[in-house]
Amino acid sequence: AQSVAQPEDQVNVAEGNPLTVKCTYSVSGNPYLFWYVQYPNRGLQFLLKYITGDNLVKGSYGFEAEFNKSQTSFHLKKPSALVSDSALYFCAVRVSGNTPLVFGKGTRLSVIA
Amino acid sequence: ETGVTQTPRHLVMGMTNKKSLKCEQHLGHNAMYWYKQSAKKPLELMFVYSLEERVENNSVPSRFSPECPNSSHLFLHLHTLQPEDSALYLCASSPSRHWASTEAFFGQGTRLTVV
Repeated sequence: AQSVAQPEDQVNVAEGNPLTVKCTYSVSGNPYLFWYVQYPNRGLQFLLKYITGDNLVKGSYGFEAEFNKSQTSFHLKKPSALVSDSALYFCAVRVSGNTPLVFGKGTRLSVIA
Repeated sequence: ETGVTQTPRHLVMGMTNKKSLKCEQHLGHNAMYWYKQSAKKPLELMFVYSLEERVENNSVPSRFSPECPNSSHLFLHLHTLQPEDSALYLCASSPSRHWASTEAFFGQGTRLTVV
């Protein structure tokens, strides 16, 4: 069975500081990994994904994520946080077309001015 | 916007009511999904439709009844719900359920409150 863990319910960062939102996964096979963001009263918006190739993936709004196979992690990062980055972030994993997209519980990011 | 539209945005219903949630996409996608989002819980996949055929039903109670009349529209019919069914219901679509590397596009959700 595949699963995703987001160990932090809440992450607080000062504006201008780097941010990291953690994600680890457990799958049988090669994973496809995704990050989504959810702003208040909105649906999920796709940020970035890892399929294959370069372990560092760049996405929307200056976010990036690093795939680490040995640590089974896919942490989301941004060099300089903005107040507008405050939202709920979801990591998700899928293995094949016959398996569903599995989401983590989400991490609430608060960027403080 | 993602191209996936859900109506209504908010819904309050009594436990004896019948209501329906609507989802519409004009992205040319062949797969559509219903998810339930409850506080502090992972998103729960409820139903998957591929080319208008239901291909997954993750042990969802029969008080939730999906309908996919065509590849652009997806409904969730609600009947005799319980207060614990109160949640944000999200619709999503993707080009094909078999393409594991493609992302899903989500609607803004319907906030359902059962009283």
